[in-house]
Amino acid sequence: RKEVEQDPGPFNVPEGATVAFNCTYSNSASQSFFWYRQDCRKEPKLLMSVYSSGNEDGRFTAQLNRASQYISLLIRDSKLSDSATYLCVVNIWGGADGLTFGKGTHLIIQP
Amino acid sequence: GAGVSQSPSNKVTEKGKDVELRCDPISGHTALYWYRQSLGQGLEFLIYFQGNSAPDKSGLPSDRFSAERTGGSVSTLTIQRTQQEDSAVYLCASSLSIGVETQYFGPGTRLLVL
Repeated sequence: RKEVEQDPGPFNVPEGATVAFNCTYSNSASQSFFWYRQDCRKEPKLLMSVYSSGNEDGRFTAQLNRASQYISLLIRDSKLSDSATYLCVVNIWGGADGLTFGKGTHLIIQP
Repeated sequence: GAGVSQSPSNKVTEKGKDVELRCDPISGHTALYWYRQSLGQGLEFLIYFQGNSAPDKSGLPSDRFSAERTGGSVSTLTIQRTQQEDSAVYLCASSLSIGVETQYFGPGTRLLVL
C-alpha cells in the first residue's frame, strides 16, 4: 500500500468553480501534513500546512481527519492561475526520511 | 534573500559516466534534503543532512549514489556509472533545521542519461 495516495486526475474545472480533492495516508504515526503546489517543470512550493483544527488561507481550505487518515484541500472561486499539480505531503516526526509526497493531483482550470 | 540554487540546471550524460550535482541551500539553513522525481512520479526522498552529517543513507537507490556536505552549506550528490534509469529531476530542499518542516526547494537538475 502506498504511503500517500492521491487521485492523479486531471480535474478539469471551469473558472470560478469550487474544487476539492483528498489524500489518504497509511502511517498513523504521521505527525504533520502539508499541501505543496508544483507547476509544470518547476519545483514544489509550500501551499499550506494542514492543522487538526483545519485552516483557511484566502480561497484555500485544508482539513485533516486523523481518524480516517485523510487530508483534504478545497479551492473556492478557482482562478486560471490555480492550474497546477497539488501534492499531498506527510511527515513522520523524528523520521529520517524527510517528507513523504503523494504523486499529486493535476488540476486544470478552464476559462 | 536568495533561495536554494542547484547546478547544473540540465545535464545530459552517457551511460557509464559519473555526474556530480550541486545544491546551495538558503543561508542559515542547517538541514538539507535530496529528492528525485522521475517522469510522472512523485518525489522520492534520497537523503538528508543536518549540518554536515547524514545519519541515514538507506534512501539512496544504490551504492552508485553518494552525497556529501561540507562546511554546513553546499552539498553534492554524485552518481557513479550512470544508468538510464537514473534519468530524473534531482531536487534539493533546505529548512532551518530538522523538525522545522517548511522545506524550500531549488529548481532542480534535470538529468538525462543516454
